[in-house]
Amino acid sequence: GEDVEQSLFLSVREGDSSVINCTYTDSSSTYLYWYKQEPGAGLQLLTYIFSNMDMKQDQRLTVLLNKKDKHLSLRIADTQTGDSAIYFCAESISGANNLFFGTGTRLTVIP
Amino acid sequence: KAGVTQTPRYLIKTRGQQVTLSCSPISGHRSVSWYQQTPGQGLQFLFEYFSETQRNKGNFPGRFSGRQFSNSRSEMNVSTLELGDSALYLCASSSGQRLGEYFGPGTRLTVT
Repeated sequence: GEDVEQSLFLSVREGDSSVINCTYTDSSSTYLYWYKQEPGAGLQLLTYIFSNMDMKQDQRLTVLLNKKDKHLSLRIADTQTGDSAIYFCAESISGANNLFFGTGTRLTVIP
Repeated sequence: KAGVTQTPRYLIKTRGQQVTLSCSPISGHRSVSWYQQTPGQGLQFLFEYFSETQRNKGNFPGRFSGRQFSNSRSEMNVSTLELGDSALYLCASSSGQRLGEYFGPGTRLTVT
């Protein structure tokens, strides 16, 4: 199965942390990704995690992976108004040369 | 390094026509993937090419086709356009196992 699910909306106040969640169903995932899409733009790869890792930190971004529950999260520390965008999680599956995307979470940062 | 480029950026066509979209990957990248993004269906995989060979194809009708040239540039073609083909078409290029590392800005196709 290639179902990747995310909640549709998230609002946070500027300076707070944002946590965007994602669940996936395929246990043969190799890499899991987080992308950002701003209005009228393509996808920007923010970070990725290999499926044998539990956590990855990259400046303000922290990715947590719970393989048992097939749950992936992206935490953005000190969220800024420029972080307002749609965030997509995606997985690549062993043997398949394509990505399966979630529905996207629209993050709104309130000044 | 120049990013992934897609041409044209915007396109308006009428039903029944055909369209060709172009994608130039990052220099040295041999894998090019295409995705369709619509408000209703989200991001859906069309096909992936590696060294001029289609390695994988999504669940789209045969009206959607693609190819890749020896310089890794890729084109996708949609024949007999339908209103539902209106979408943002995104292409991504990769150098290795991590797919979709770099996405282009997309081509927005409107079918009237």
